[in-house]
Amino acid sequence: KAGVTQTPRYLIKTRGQQVTLSCSPISGHRSVSWYQQTPGQGLQFLFEYFSETQRNKGNFPGRFSGRQFSNSRSEMNVSTLELGDSALYLCASSIDSLSNYGYTFGSGTRLTVV
Amino acid sequence: QKEVEQNSGPLSVPEGAIASLNCTYSDRGSQSFFWYRQYSGKSPELIMSIYSNGDKEDGRFTAQLNKASQYVSLLIRDSQPSDSATYLCAVKSNAGKSTFGDGTTLTVKP
Repeated sequence: KAGVTQTPRYLIKTRGQQVTLSCSPISGHRSVSWYQQTPGQGLQFLFEYFSETQRNKGNFPGRFSGRQFSNSRSEMNVSTLELGDSALYLCASSIDSLSNYGYTFGSGTRLTVV
Repeated sequence: QKEVEQNSGPLSVPEGAIASLNCTYSDRGSQSFFWYRQYSGKSPELIMSIYSNGDKEDGRFTAQLNKASQYVSLLIRDSQPSDSATYLCAVKSNAGKSTFGDGTTLTVKP
């Protein structure tokens, strides 16, 4: 059974640019959540998509956006990158976040903004 | 006050000892509670989940939940050097959003 696939693994971008990260959840999982992980802030919730709809949203600025496709694959986009956006971005797959099941995480995308 | 708080650590125990990790949460409506393990440079991995008050055992791991006290704990018996990692407590709300604590770093010394 394939795990959660995140691409790319590493990215280096310049301030002001935009970036798109991709996540393919485990087959059959319809919920995809995105988290930002930094040493100082820990794991911070960005948003969650279920059946192509955003169901939950964290406290991030509007520069952070996402979407989910009919095959449950999800993308997140960050526009006008800032140095503080440098972080590990983790995608978490779940059958349905409203269930009692936990997450399976992808390997993450390490974003560096210079 | 943070929504999910964990012992700041780091926690160091000798091999074979019991490691005790603690977590408190603020949302009384929370329904599901999880422990994830994260090795350095890796992504978090789910190791335990608990939904009802009491204890839940899985091998060397025991999760304990007390909803009245808003308290979750993880006990690791017969700790091994391979248990050295950061342990993250996560609390899932009724809306399905999981909030993580900052984690406790455990070192098991041979």
